[in-house]
Amino acid sequence: AQSVTQLDSHVSVSEGTPVLLRCNYSSSYSPSLFWYVQHPNKGLQLLLKYTSAATLVKGINGFEAEFKKSETSFHLTKPSAHMSDAAEYFCVVPGFGNEKLTFGTGTRLTIIP
Amino acid sequence: SQTIHQWPATLVQPVGSPLSLECTVEGTSNPNLYWYRQAAGRGLQLLFYSVGIGQISSEVPQNLSASRPQDRQFILSSKKLLLSDSGFYLCAWNGGGNTQYFGPGTRLTVL
Repeated sequence: AQSVTQLDSHVSVSEGTPVLLRCNYSSSYSPSLFWYVQHPNKGLQLLLKYTSAATLVKGINGFEAEFKKSETSFHLTKPSAHMSDAAEYFCVVPGFGNEKLTFGTGTRLTIIP
Repeated sequence: SQTIHQWPATLVQPVGSPLSLECTVEGTSNPNLYWYRQAAGRGLQLLFYSVGIGQISSEVPQNLSASRPQDRQFILSSKKLLLSDSGFYLCAWNGGGNTQYFGPGTRLTVL
């Protein structure tokens, strides 16, 4: 079975500093992987997705993630945090042969002014 | 382009009352549709998914039911709400390649 582990439940960074949100995956095959963002009381928005075409994936709002098979990781990064980045972020993996998504427990990102 | 709508945006209901939440998708045909619940401080739980009209798969036995009366309409219902049904309900559709796109959600509070 596929699973994802988000290593930090809460991350705080100062505005203008880099952001790193960590995600490790477990899969018996090379998976697709996604990052979603959820602002308070809003739906989830797709940030980026990895589908084996390229290991470095660029998403919206300046975010990117790198798929590292040797480390089974798919960490989300952004060079410079903005106040509007404050939200909850979910690392997600779909099931094999179906569309059921498995969500990580989420990382709440706080931006310090 | 595709758009997904949910209503109402917020709902406060007494225990034991019925529930009907609606989700509609525009700009696509025969989408796979999903209902999720997000309880306070917890992750997303898949409740139901549908691959076509009248076809519903239930992931978790509970007090809720789902129906798909039209191709782009997905309804979540309950005959009698429980306190534990409170949460944030999200509808999603599959845009291909296992990618799901979410609606704005409905905040349900059961008192």
